[in-house]
Amino acid sequence: DTAVSQTPKYLVTQMGNDKSIKCEQNLGHDTMYWYKQDSKKFLKIMFSYNNKELIINETVPNRFSPKSPDKAHLNLHINSLELGDSAVYFCASSQDRGFMNTEAFFGQGTRLTVV
Amino acid sequence: DAKTTQPTSMDCAEGRAANLPCNHSTISGNEYVYWYRQIHSQGPQYIIHGLKNNETNEMASLIITEDRKSSTLILPHATLRDTAVYYCIVRLSYNTDKLIFGTGTRLQVFP
Repeated sequence: DTAVSQTPKYLVTQMGNDKSIKCEQNLGHDTMYWYKQDSKKFLKIMFSYNNKELIINETVPNRFSPKSPDKAHLNLHINSLELGDSAVYFCASSQDRGFMNTEAFFGQGTRLTVV
Repeated sequence: DAKTTQPTSMDCAEGRAANLPCNHSTISGNEYVYWYRQIHSQGPQYIIHGLKNNETNEMASLIITEDRKSSTLILPHATLRDTAVYYCIVRLSYNTDKLIFGTGTRLQVFP
């Protein structure tokens, strides 16, 4: 009954490969996010989707492309992986209630290691 | 981008209250104060949020000063499982605003 689930939990891959990380939430939320946590433990937002529409797109290389097939899913596809992409990637979701935003629920993270 | 300042680290004895301060001197009138924590190797976890009144829930209390330029998160009886990095975040109340995490405070609860 995990609220926000990400797969895989660990991903080790070679430079130049293309990989995807999947995220699903069963909370009925309409907003989903991707965050990146680097080796210095700094958490930085990458993307935000609201009702399958891209809302926030931070300065992220074009090699990163989010895809939201429906409100419950936000997948992250990464092309031509580089060493610097090694990090922990967190998916999150929250509910927009108009005048009051609710808290965000985070997944357990995907540790990506590029070798 | 973070609009908050927190001490880098704090210690607290188990069973004692942990008081984590946060400065947000540039907060605007419609920005909320949120607190999250991240236990080692886990995703961030929501704790509490408030606008101007003090708030309490089953996890913690949030005390916001009258001028709203600072706040304190209180864990009334800290346990070893409360050892984590605690993030204080200010944000607007709608989804198009970002949760911007700063460096947080690393709280170490010791026996």
